[in-house]
Amino acid sequence: DAKTTQPTSMDCAEGRAANLPCNHSTISGNEYVYWYRQIHSQGPQYIIHGLKNNETNEMASLIITEDRKSSTLILPHATLRDTAVYYCIVRGGNNAGNMLTFGGGTRLMVKP
Amino acid sequence: GAVVSQHPSRVICKSGTSVKIECRSLDFQATTMFWYRQFPKQSLMLMATSNEGSKATYEQGVEKDKFLINHASLTLSTLTVTSAHPEDSSFYICSARDTPRDRGGGYTFGSGTRLTVV
Repeated sequence: DAKTTQPTSMDCAEGRAANLPCNHSTISGNEYVYWYRQIHSQGPQYIIHGLKNNETNEMASLIITEDRKSSTLILPHATLRDTAVYYCIVRGGNNAGNMLTFGGGTRLMVKP
Repeated sequence: GAVVSQHPSRVICKSGTSVKIECRSLDFQATTMFWYRQFPKQSLMLMATSNEGSKATYEQGVEKDKFLINHASLTLSTLTVTSAHPEDSSFYICSARDTPRDRGGGYTFGSGTRLTVV
């Protein structure tokens, strides 16, 4: 699975949009981009995933560049409860055996 | 959505004893479950992949005789930390792939178990 690079930490003001970047320049054609987050002392929570088209759900939007080498997770109106570590993960298609490999993630601090 | 229940959430045990952690998929069948370990201020590290009805696959450096994994049914996998030592103190997290539908990105995580060995 392709390796990802994320900034170690970011700050965001409450109520503003949080834009979390992720580089995955070695991504291959059948690999998806997944985003999870982990609030302190809890298990990771799924946010969103995509292959090549931009995706949006009730939690966030995922913007994937045309060459698929990078993506951005957007939390449109960040709240204090969005403070967490956000993981960008790239993995292959529907192989049932493929696990998720976690990198360092981005520690997002939402401030009042 | 898919739910994975993990118990206990916290456990304190004496050095040399064994501890069992349960991971249950509540509303779906999980042929494959994954066990992770997370030390303070670090990311999740995969320990092993648990397959229903067969032996688990362990990652390099993880002792299979110390971390016993049993996946006897499509809804339950257990991790037993045998002869626990203080260095085994960590946050253990399970995950399940919710086949055949690809809900939630296909992977749902338990809430984790904080193990403290004294």
